[in-house]
Amino acid sequence: EIVLTQSPATLSLSPGERATLSCRASQSVNTYLAWYQQKPGQAPRLLIYDASNRATGIPARFSGSGSGTDFTLTISSLEPEDFAVYYCQQRSNWPLTFGGGTKVEIK
Amino acid sequence: QVQLQESGPGLVKPSETLTLTCTVSDSISHYYWNWIRQTPGKGLEWIGYVYSTGSTNYNPSLKSRVTISSDKSKNQFSLRLSSVTAADTAVYYCARATTLYPGRLDSWGQGTLVTVSS
Repeated sequence: EIVLTQSPATLSLSPGERATLSCRASQSVNTYLAWYQQKPGQAPRLLIYDASNRATGIPARFSGSGSGTDFTLTISSLEPEDFAVYYCQQRSNWPLTFGGGTKVEIK
Repeated sequence: QVQLQESGPGLVKPSETLTLTCTVSDSISHYYWNWIRQTPGKGLEWIGYVYSTGSTNYNPSLKSRVTISSDKSKNQFSLRLSSVTAADTAVYYCARATTLYPGRLDSWGQGTLVTVSS
């Protein structure tokens, strides 16, 4: 199965700052990579699919890039509601797999 | 917007079978219906899906113990996980993926905690 490694594990930033999250795949997933946001007590929410496409209703401050094995989620200017855990997930090969998550916390 | 809701026992005894149902607010035709679980130790783990035709696909790590089925008349799909152990204690989510984007989980239930304990 494809292993996804996210870094860093924790990102400490202030509101208004730029957040850059990374996801690396153990083999190429083409652009079949998604990003999800999860807040405490809630289900994950789809943010970005196929590497760079924002899901319905997702603000423009969220953007994704990458292909092959290296991907980035960027939050251009952190809003208070953006502090959460972010997961990447690949759908290139079955089984679907998720990264271990990056927690974006308030500095 | 489609709504998904998991239901089932919150406590299951070791060696027994865990059974959960996901009720969908709309028709379940033409979609992939998935189960995912989350634990503090292993994170998010995809369990498998049932497609609207009835075809299934399971995670090899769980395949010998998993059955996912659907009931179109009730707009429901279900998960059965047999011979459970404490390692199966998790929050279980149901989620949808479209035919155009298999594996893109665009709608999720709120999740239900299942504890395996005697």
